[in-house]
Amino acid sequence: AQSVAQPEDQVNVAEGNPLTVKCTYSVSGNPYLFWYVQYPNRGLQFLLKYITGDNLVKGSYGFEAEFNKSQTSFHLKKPSALVSDSALYFCAVISNTGKLIFGQGTTLQVKP
Amino acid sequence: DAGITQSPRYKITETGRQVTLMCHQTWSHSYMFWYRQDLGHGLRLIYYSAAADITDKGEVPDGYVVSRSKTENFPLTLESATRSQTSVYFCASRTPWGSITEAFFGQGTRLTVV
Repeated sequence: AQSVAQPEDQVNVAEGNPLTVKCTYSVSGNPYLFWYVQYPNRGLQFLLKYITGDNLVKGSYGFEAEFNKSQTSFHLKKPSALVSDSALYFCAVISNTGKLIFGQGTTLQVKP
Repeated sequence: DAGITQSPRYKITETGRQVTLMCHQTWSHSYMFWYRQDLGHGLRLIYYSAAADITDKGEVPDGYVVSRSKTENFPLTLESATRSQTSVYFCASRTPWGSITEAFFGQGTRLTVV
């Protein structure tokens, strides 16, 4: 079955420190991977995507993600966290039938 | 205005009633999706559509019906609402396989079934 896993319900990091939010996937064929962010009482906002090409993908608000085919991972990273980065983060993949499948989400808490 | 809009934003309905959530997009995206978001479950796919008149089940389709007679509209109907269908519902759309882009989301509909 095609799926996405986010192993951490919550990630806590101090402001100014680097952050990583983990994501692993299971799909048939080439993976098309995405990260979204959701602020309280809002819809989902797109951060970045991996379709093909460089394994390090840069996105909005200083976020980047590293695609690792051998580990089937697509971890979200940021060199220096801001308090305003605190939100709910979702990893997603497009299945071979075109479905957009999401992970369970990871709450990022950045403390001043 | 261009974009994807959901209506209503908030809805309270009684158990057993039929309720329809509307989704409209202006980009002519071929794919459209309905998700529900519940605490502890992330986003679960209810139904999706690859094009007008083509729909398919997602992860949690029971109790829901969809139709897509026009590319821009993808209504979701709860035939007989139950309390377990209290949730926040999100609609999304994206381009087809030939030019994969990210999906765009509506602002959500908060549905309460009493």
